[in-house]
Amino acid sequence: DAKTTQPPSMDCAEGRAANLPCNHSTISGNEYVYWYRQIHSQGPQYIIHGLKNNETNEMASLIITEDRKSSTLILPHATLRDTAVYYCIVIIWGSGNTGKLIFGQGTTLQVKP
Amino acid sequence: NAGVTQTPKFRVLKTGQSMTLLCAQDMNHEYMYWYRQDPGMGLRLIHYSVGEGTTAKGEVPDGYNVSRLKKQNFLLGLESAAPSQTSVYFCASSWSTGGHGYTFGSGTRLTVV
Repeated sequence: DAKTTQPPSMDCAEGRAANLPCNHSTISGNEYVYWYRQIHSQGPQYIIHGLKNNETNEMASLIITEDRKSSTLILPHATLRDTAVYYCIVIIWGSGNTGKLIFGQGTTLQVKP
Repeated sequence: NAGVTQTPKFRVLKTGQSMTLLCAQDMNHEYMYWYRQDPGMGLRLIHYSVGEGTTAKGEVPDGYNVSRLKKQNFLLGLESAAPSQTSVYFCASSWSTGGHGYTFGSGTRLTVV
């Protein structure tokens, strides 16, 4: 089972910041939080990941609370092309120290004109 | 570079027929994965491989077999297709056992009638 919970859907106005929350209250101290998105049934696309410090790249920013039990993905200036399903994932570790991405239902972000 | 290529893109099978889905990556990634995605749901891990000649079960392995005879290829087989296997299948590869290096293919849409 996924180790994260996300709201099923959110709306955002074009040009505004989109803030997507994620709860991961059972996260362990050395587990990263990963964000992927899936645009209209294409293959998922990596966005960003983090451990405990806030992270920023050309696509988004990731804010992780100090207790690491939740995080927020921020798209600073959402465009219509950012309409997608966003997945927050904490990796599941299996045998042989192999990590597996287990996807939950994600948040459907609708960016509106 | 092509990244991850899935063949075929679409297929319709009759119940009981068999087929093989091919995933090929040209990034020299060690790890490869097969997921399925049903309407309105997130991706579920079927099988994965941590290297040439190795395979392991994911969340929903029943009814599928896999092989990784060459590092660049990961095959997913359906021996006797069932309507419940109607889905979109995604292949992914990654360079690390962590969750941030995944590259996904564009998917294979399979319908079993």
